[in-house]
Amino acid sequence: GAGVSQSPRYKVTKRGQDVALRCDPISGHVSLYWYRQALGQGPEFLTYFNYEAQQDKSGLPNDRFSAERPEGSISTLTIQRTEQRDSAMYRCASSRGGSTGELFFGEGSRLTVL
Amino acid sequence: AQSVTQLDSHVSVSEGTPVLLRCNYSSSYSPSLFWYVQHPNKGLQLLLKYTSAATLVKGINGFEAEFKKSETSFHLTKPSAHMSDAAEYFCVVSDRDGGSQGNLIFGKGTKLSVKP
Repeated sequence: GAGVSQSPRYKVTKRGQDVALRCDPISGHVSLYWYRQALGQGPEFLTYFNYEAQQDKSGLPNDRFSAERPEGSISTLTIQRTEQRDSAMYRCASSRGGSTGELFFGEGSRLTVL
Repeated sequence: AQSVTQLDSHVSVSEGTPVLLRCNYSSSYSPSLFWYVQHPNKGLQLLLKYTSAATLVKGINGFEAEFKKSETSFHLTKPSAHMSDAAEYFCVVSDRDGGSQGNLIFGKGTKLSVKP
């Protein structure tokens, strides 16, 4: 597509429910990244993929968080048993790959856990 | 470890006056440095990047930044602010020589307001 697309744009859920956030990167982009941005803070790295391989998941806060990119294109970030502290904007970005390439960000998915 | 400090959380200027958004970084390696801009309800957009070529980097919309190793700074400037420049700006560092290529470290952001 023309840009990075994320869905849903807004998600309100109750504590304890699972949520899945989807990212559709720019067509042909090798690398895909997930970031989390709390209110008043800059984005914080969660994980990234080259093609379908998860290269680094050191930013995932705990084992309730997981991500996959099974066919090297669309990615899903899943949060199990959500907690109120998971409320944030979740941002996906993609790039052509290679070191220090430009990241193209989607508009984000805002998650609110009640 | 890499880190970024944006010295001002909020900067307010009048239209037509210069803009200065300050950023200091800390890096164990030769850093790559970026400025990203975020307009309301939009995704983050790359303004400019420094990757060890020229120390003065020109970006989009008339912005530029100068890499000063001695001061560990990468301040963002623009000679004349426009109303459309009102947004949040993030200074970002990436470790080029090791670690994850995706592990960009963002500053907390500086909100730029432009008064008519």
